[in-house]
Amino acid sequence: NAGVMQNPRHLVRRRGQEARLRCSPMKGHSHVYWYRQLPEEGLKFMVYLQKENIIDESGMPKERFSAEFPKEGPSILRIQQVVRGDSAAYFCASSQSQASGRGTYNEQFFGPGTRLTVL
Amino acid sequence: TQLLEQSPQFLSIQEGENLTVYCNSSSVFSSLQWYRQEPGEGPVLLVTVVTGGEVKKLKRLTFQFGDARKDSSLHITAAQPGDTGLYLCAGAAGANNLFFGTGTRLTVIP
Repeated sequence: NAGVMQNPRHLVRRRGQEARLRCSPMKGHSHVYWYRQLPEEGLKFMVYLQKENIIDESGMPKERFSAEFPKEGPSILRIQQVVRGDSAAYFCASSQSQASGRGTYNEQFFGPGTRLTVL
Repeated sequence: TQLLEQSPQFLSIQEGENLTVYCNSSSVFSSLQWYRQEPGEGPVLLVTVVTGGEVKKLKRLTFQFGDARKDSSLHITAAQPGDTGLYLCAGAAGANNLFFGTGTRLTVIP
């Protein structure tokens, strides 16, 4: 039973190029989250998607960044016209809703990450 | 923004010692998760706590969720070199994103 898969594991881009990061959630999971981890900083939420819907993109930069989770295929995080400050590790997590006495909660499982380096 | 502060930030101990890592916030969370992250890898989920006052044990690791669901602790008994890593707590305020703590970097010296 494969876990969350991300590819590529490492990506090098020159300033101004586009970066596409892919994430396949765990089997049976319908929720996908993207996080960014800057060097020596903690993980910061970017966007939460379900199939064909963006649920919460409050952590996504307003320009150059977009995300999708199509009906078929992996979730894609796309960064247009990359700049040096975009260099970071990008992690994808997936979950399925679980019920508790206090409502639902989502136990998130992370992929290995994509390390983006912008030259 | 819901902030989670972890302490200590760095911890270096001898093999066999016990330790406790704390995760504190002024916000209430519906659940709290603990992860361990190795260099170059993604966080690996250790445990999820949901109920205030809940205690969960995972071999030598004991996790506790505060009664008010604002804080949590991780206690490791008889630490081993294999426990070395970055420990992260993460709080959920619903079904959406996790707010990650600042992390505790643990080194266990053989």
